[in-house]
Amino acid sequence: AQSVAQPEDQVNVAEGNPLTVKCTYSVSGNPYLFWYVQYPNRGLQFLLKYITGDNLVKGSYGFEAEFNKSQTSFHLKKPSALVSDSALYFCAVRDPASGGSYIPTFGRGTSLIVHP
Amino acid sequence: DADVTQTPRNRITKTGKRIMLECSQTKGHDRMYWYRQDPGLGLRLIYYSFDVKDINKGEISDGYSVSRQAQAKFSLSLESAIPNQTALYFCATSDIGVKGYTFGSGTRLTVV
Repeated sequence: AQSVAQPEDQVNVAEGNPLTVKCTYSVSGNPYLFWYVQYPNRGLQFLLKYITGDNLVKGSYGFEAEFNKSQTSFHLKKPSALVSDSALYFCAVRDPASGGSYIPTFGRGTSLIVHP
Repeated sequence: DADVTQTPRNRITKTGKRIMLECSQTKGHDRMYWYRQDPGLGLRLIYYSFDVKDINKGEISDGYSVSRQAQAKFSLSLESAIPNQTALYFCATSDIGVKGYTFGSGTRLTVV
């Protein structure tokens, strides 16, 4: 079975500081990992994904994520936060070894608040 | 125009009423999904469809039904709405590869 955890309900950071939003996962095989962002009154938007290859993945809006197999983590990072980054962030995992539907499992979401 | 369009954007309905939420897409994707979002619970899968003749239950399908009218259209029905179905509902599409989902803007449903 696949699962994903976002241990923080909310992350607060000052504008200009680096930010990290944490995600850990559990799968039986090698994971496919995704990050999505949800701005107020909007649907989720795809940010980035890890399928294979380089452990550091770069995505939209200056975000990046680091895949760490030994720690089963896929933390989302940005070197310098903007107030406009304030949103709800979702991590998702898909286990290609699970067979069948390959439906990803989403985390519960982390609210990022960037203070001016 | 949006790639995935959901109608209505907001709806208030009474307990016991039947309501349909509609989703249409211009992505050309075969796979379509209905999710429910509740605060603190994240996204939970209600139903999904991999093509017009394929409908599958998700983790929380009780009280819901779906219809895949065409490749581009996937509707969600609440046969007899109840207050705990008050939530934000999202339609999403994907292809068969490893790309991410494309989500609609959501329907905020309130059952009173």
